[in-house]
Amino acid sequence: EAGVTQSPTHLIKTRGQQVTLRCSPISGHTSVYWYQQALGLGLQFLLWYDEGEERNRGNFPPRFSGRQFPNYSSELNVNALELEDSALYLCASRLDRSQPQHFGDGTRLSIL
Amino acid sequence: AQSVTQLGSHVSVSEGALVLLRCNYSSSVPPYLFWYVQYPNQGLQLLLKYTSAATLVKGINGFEAEFKKSETSFHLTKPSAHMSDAAEYFCAAFSGSARQLTFGSGTQLTVLP
Repeated sequence: EAGVTQSPTHLIKTRGQQVTLRCSPISGHTSVYWYQQALGLGLQFLLWYDEGEERNRGNFPPRFSGRQFPNYSSELNVNALELEDSALYLCASRLDRSQPQHFGDGTRLSIL
Repeated sequence: AQSVTQLGSHVSVSEGALVLLRCNYSSSVPPYLFWYVQYPNQGLQLLLKYTSAATLVKGINGFEAEFKKSETSFHLTKPSAHMSDAAEYFCAAFSGSARQLTFGSGTQLTVLP
């Protein structure tokens, strides 16, 4: 089965710009999670979507937002980019609460 | 709040030696526990999971982990390290009350020839 796919793989932006990252979950998975992995800060939980609704949000400012589409794919939007937003953004999906999350290879975002 | 602690941000072992990566969680209710591995420029790959069925869990690539409730630990082991095991390893816990997966800070494993 196809795994979690993310696009693009790499992105370079400048401060103040906006970016959209995309994620397609494993077929049949309805929950999608977004994480930020910045150098030295580990994996930080960003957002959780399930059945099209935002279910939980990490400790990030409102300029981080997203949505989940009827086909369960998801977008992560980041407005007013700052240098500190440079990171690997990982998307994960899972089947249900007792099952593990499966991760994509991420989008590497660099802010100049 | 749920927290996961990985002791040792860097661990080095010789090829063929035992690998032991430590993980402790904080929760009054045993959560679901996972170990993931991350190779450079890749996402996280699931090694194994504990979901209360058996305390000794076997995973991929020869890894296993033992859940010890009395010690709130879920340490990862492999009897004989291989060069291909060099990567970063993350322990994670999911509890219903937290509604999210909480990761430890990761352990970078180096395998010496």
